[in-house]
Amino acid sequence: QVQLVQSGAEVKKPGSSVKVSCEASGGIFSNYGFSWVRQAPGQGLEWMGGIIPMVDTANYAQKFQARVTITADESTNTAYMELSGLRSEDTAIYYCASGSVYGSGTYSYDYWGQGTLVTVSS
Amino acid sequence: DIVMTQSPLSLSVTPGEPASISCRSSQSLLHSNGYNYLDWYLQKPGQSPQLLIYLGSNRASGVPARFRGSGSGTHFTLTISRVEAEDVGIYYCMQALQTHTFGQGTKLEIK
Repeated sequence: QVQLVQSGAEVKKPGSSVKVSCEASGGIFSNYGFSWVRQAPGQGLEWMGGIIPMVDTANYAQKFQARVTITADESTNTAYMELSGLRSEDTAIYYCASGSVYGSGTYSYDYWGQGTLVTVSS
Repeated sequence: DIVMTQSPLSLSVTPGEPASISCRSSQSLLHSNGYNYLDWYLQKPGQSPQLLIYLGSNRASGVPARFRGSGSGTHFTLTISRVEAEDVGIYYCMQALQTHTFGQGTKLEIK
């Protein structure tokens, strides 16, 4: 059973960057895809982007393309999401989600991290 | 980007009664391999979301048989045959065919 453990809550100033980590255990890291999904207070789920470590290629939602970088470190079984140019509207819970990669190159989210609250405030 | 539209956005159901949620996509989610890349997730209050249904109609591990996913192409339905109190939360559909997209969510409450 795969477990995803995310880094702790962050408080950031507008204009700064945040980097959230997601450490996976209990599975073969390179067999999985990892996505980042955020949820603003009282709002729905919003997909930001994802990466498949096996092919080391990330793709991003158009909305976040210019500001987000998603990476994966196979040596530590950890995925990362860095968001730059933070503004108050980026205050949200950020989830890491993962699943086995299908033959078609995509994946469902069998596993979810506990979420990381990022607060952007001056 | 593929746009996902759910309906209704909220649902109030008596325990033991059925419930269904519709999800429509702006493009077909049917891959050339015959699979529909449509998942259903449930987010219970105060929790991380959990996978209910993957590839349109497959129940995830541990998901009760009262949950059923159906549909193909651009129209999908999640059906709960007999709602229980523990089913409260927000249900989301998500397309995994291209860069992933979630529907707006459907809030299920118990009458």
